[in-house]
Amino acid sequence: DGGITQSPKYLFRKEGQNVTLSCEQNLNHDAMYWYRQDPGQGLRLIYYSQIVNDFQKGDIAEGYSVSREKKESFPLTVTSAQKNPTAFYLCASRSTENTEAFFGQGTRLTVV
Amino acid sequence: AQSVSQHNHHVILSEAASLELGCNYSYGGTVNLFWYVQYPGQHLQLLLKYFSGDPLVKGIKGFEAEFIKSKFSFNLRKPSVQWSDTAEYFCAASQAAGNKLTFGGGTRVLVKP
Repeated sequence: DGGITQSPKYLFRKEGQNVTLSCEQNLNHDAMYWYRQDPGQGLRLIYYSQIVNDFQKGDIAEGYSVSREKKESFPLTVTSAQKNPTAFYLCASRSTENTEAFFGQGTRLTVV
Repeated sequence: AQSVSQHNHHVILSEAASLELGCNYSYGGTVNLFWYVQYPGQHLQLLLKYFSGDPLVKGIKGFEAEFIKSKFSFNLRKPSVQWSDTAEYFCAASQAAGNKLTFGGGTRVLVKP
């Protein structure tokens, strides 16, 4: 089946540790996105990538890093510099700017 | 900066009532507009989208939205809601010639049976 796979669904980490969230898509989409969803704040854009080996900061990029070495994959690293990392993280992709985005099921990260 | 704002954080209404959710965007130029829905425990799904043409857009499950360029608005409507419409609704926008996709803060809708 075509779609976007985020793993794991739940992730627990100790404060001060970096953690990487996985996002894979087999839709052959060029653009990929990472959002953070917090209650009452909607979806806030962390990073996005329009093509392989290129990515841009979104609105809340501080404390996060990404890579786009393959078209299918766009992993997000939550670093120890992120002050409030506990959140629900959503990955999305879309074909071009004139199409809708498709979303993964999300990863809930809890930092203790 | 490009932004999307949704006027209501929470809406509570009874079944068969009409629903209208406000959305405003701050982009200049040509924009693409979207409404997504997130049912409890499910991933985001597209309700409808506007790229060009008829400003009144019809989506799934009886939803529609109207693009009013002069007001920078893209409000979502449904004439008669059902209990199953209980969900969180998100408005989103991107420039027609760009890939940055920005979402609003979301509106939680609770439909009482």
